[in-house]
Amino acid sequence: GAVVSQHPSWVICKSGTSVKIECRSLDFQATTMFWYRQFPKQSLMLMATSNEGSKATYEQGVEKDKFLINHASLTLSTLTVTSAHPEDSSFYICSATPGLAAKETQYFGPGTRLLVL
Amino acid sequence: AQSVTQLDSQVPVFEEAPVELRCNYSSSVSVYLFWYVQYPNQGLQLLLKYLSGSTLVKGINGFEAEFNKSQTSFHLRKPSVHISDTAEYFCAVSVVGAQKLVFGQGTRLTINP
Repeated sequence: GAVVSQHPSWVICKSGTSVKIECRSLDFQATTMFWYRQFPKQSLMLMATSNEGSKATYEQGVEKDKFLINHASLTLSTLTVTSAHPEDSSFYICSATPGLAAKETQYFGPGTRLLVL
Repeated sequence: AQSVTQLDSQVPVFEEAPVELRCNYSSSVSVYLFWYVQYPNQGLQLLLKYLSGSTLVKGINGFEAEFNKSQTSFHLRKPSVHISDTAEYFCAVSVVGAQKLVFGQGTRLTINP
């Protein structure tokens, strides 16, 4: 149980284009989802927290107009990297918490590797 | 604010040897503690967690960890490692009642035959 999927698993795009990454909780309803960014050989950096039906809360230093997050349902959150540039190339990982019964535990997706040329 | 320090960035061990990955945290309030494992090019998998109760926590794949409040530590141990345990291990904390995780820098465990 507590499976989180991400799509796509990897994406290559041209500089200036936008890329959408989906995060789905497959067997539970996720009231809260998180988006992280991970650079090679580094730890995870929290980008934002999203709650279903409300605006995402961004961490300091993360541009909310560049990284658009939508959490339209209890099983789906999306991250859109707008006008991507090479410095946005990274590994993006989402996580989800299964609601009030186990809200302290985050279950992670497999990650999406983005390469911007 | 909370912080997590993983004292070793890399730990090489021989197969079937015991291993301990060290984690210390700093917090002025009560926390939950977690260990996650990340295999190459994959997301994170929960190994174990401490929420309350017994300070010795058993997780998947034969791993266990002990919460030591006085030393603010949550070290991860396995009595006998396998080649398949080669991965990056992350210690993380969250404040009780909150959801945001704070991660350590990770420890790369390399198992040599």
